[in-house]
Amino acid sequence: DSGVTQTPKHLITATGQRVTLRCSPRSGDLSVYWYQQSLDQGLQFLIQYYNGEERAKGNILERFSAQQFPDLHSELNLSSLELGDSALYFCASSAQSLNEQFFGPGTRLTVL
Amino acid sequence: GQNIDQPTEMTATEGAIVQINCTYQTSGFNGLFWYQQHAGEAPTFLSYNVLDGLEEKGRFSSFLSRSKGYSYLLLKELQMKDSASYLCAVRITGSTLTFGKGTMLLVSP
Repeated sequence: DSGVTQTPKHLITATGQRVTLRCSPRSGDLSVYWYQQSLDQGLQFLIQYYNGEERAKGNILERFSAQQFPDLHSELNLSSLELGDSALYFCASSAQSLNEQFFGPGTRLTVL
Repeated sequence: GQNIDQPTEMTATEGAIVQINCTYQTSGFNGLFWYQQHAGEAPTFLSYNVLDGLEEKGRFSSFLSRSKGYSYLLLKELQMKDSASYLCAVRITGSTLTFGKGTMLLVSP
C-alpha cells in the first residue's frame, strides 16, 4: 500500500459523457501527478500539481482538466469522452519535487 | 523529442539472473528510475540512478551510463513473483518522468 488513494476503482460510462477521478496523496506529499496507461501507449504523463499550483503539463488533451485543492487532494476531469479514452488512470505523489513517485491503485475507465 | 527503448518481452527461469536493458535519447537528463508493475496494479518504485555506476538493493541492481544513454536492471535469484512488467523512466527537467513502454518478464519454474 503506497498511501495514495484513488476513487473510484472502476468506472464505466458512455461516449460523450463527463467523469471525475479523485486522488488523495500520501500524507505530507505536496506534488500530485496524473498518468494515463493504455495497452498500446504505455504510461503517459498528463499533468502535475504542486501545492495547489499547476507545475508541469504533458500529453493532456484539451478535453481533460485537473486541479489540486487546499487539502492537497486532486481531481482529474475527463469530458466529451471517446472510446479511445478507455484506460487505467493513475495518480502518484511525491514529498518533494525530486523524490520518487508513489502510485495509487488506479481507476480503470471504460468508455462504451 | 524523447525516446526510451526497452525489450517488449523477456523470459527466464526461476533462480536465474536476468538483465533488462533500457536505452534513452532525451533532450536532458536528471535521473533514471526503474518501476515494477504487476498486471492491473500500480507501478512500484525499485531503483534510482543519477550518477554513473551500479546501485544495489537486495536482489535488484541498476546500472547507469550517462554517456551511452544506457541503463540496465539486474534481477538475481529470480522468483515466480518477479513475473511483471518493468518500466524504465527518465527524469528530464523538474520532476516529471517519461516512461518506456515496459518489459514484460515471465519467470517459469
